[in-house]
Amino acid sequence: NAGVTQTPKFQVLKTGQSMTLQCAQDMNHEYMSWYRQDPGMGLRLIHYSVGAGITDQGEVPNGYNVSRSTTEDFPLRLLSAAPSQTSVYFCASSYSLGRNTIYFGEGSWLTVV
Amino acid sequence: TQLLEQSPQFLSIQEGENLTVYCNSSSVFSSLQWYRQEPGEGPVLLVTVVTGGEVKKLKRLTFQFGDARKDSSLHITAAQPGDTGLYLCAGEPANTGNQFYFGTGTSLTVIP
Repeated sequence: NAGVTQTPKFQVLKTGQSMTLQCAQDMNHEYMSWYRQDPGMGLRLIHYSVGAGITDQGEVPNGYNVSRSTTEDFPLRLLSAAPSQTSVYFCASSYSLGRNTIYFGEGSWLTVV
Repeated sequence: TQLLEQSPQFLSIQEGENLTVYCNSSSVFSSLQWYRQEPGEGPVLLVTVVTGGEVKKLKRLTFQFGDARKDSSLHITAAQPGDTGLYLCAGEPANTGNQFYFGTGTSLTVIP
């Protein structure tokens, strides 16, 4: 089972460059989300989607865009990378929130220099 | 300030000791979950607690949801090196809907 697949696993960007982190899930989950993880801060919600065509902002959305054209895919776009966006990014999916298990991808390590 | 604060942030103990990790918030949660994360991997669900006052046990791990559904605790009995990892509480606030927040995390190291 593929589960949640994120690419790339590692990326180095220069300040001002843009890039897209890809995320795909094969579990037919309606809910998908992106988190960033920084030391001492757990995971912080960037953007989330409750279904195709519906997205919304989380705790730290500035500098990031998302779209959800299909149930399976939920890409995260960095518009103009900044050193403050150096982090580990996790994509996650679940049937819905609350009592359901959230499944995570393996993470994408992003460094902005 | 994050919605879910965990304490302690770091914990290093000897094998066989007991420990408790706390997860606190000023908000009410519909449910709370605990995840464990290994280095280089995404978090993996350990348990979900739903009812205020609920206690769940998973082998040597005991999870409790506060009566007011604003806090939770994880107690590990006789810790083993295999328990080493980052423990994260997480949940959906009762008044926000569709947003799932994670705690600040507790990094546990169990020394053989």
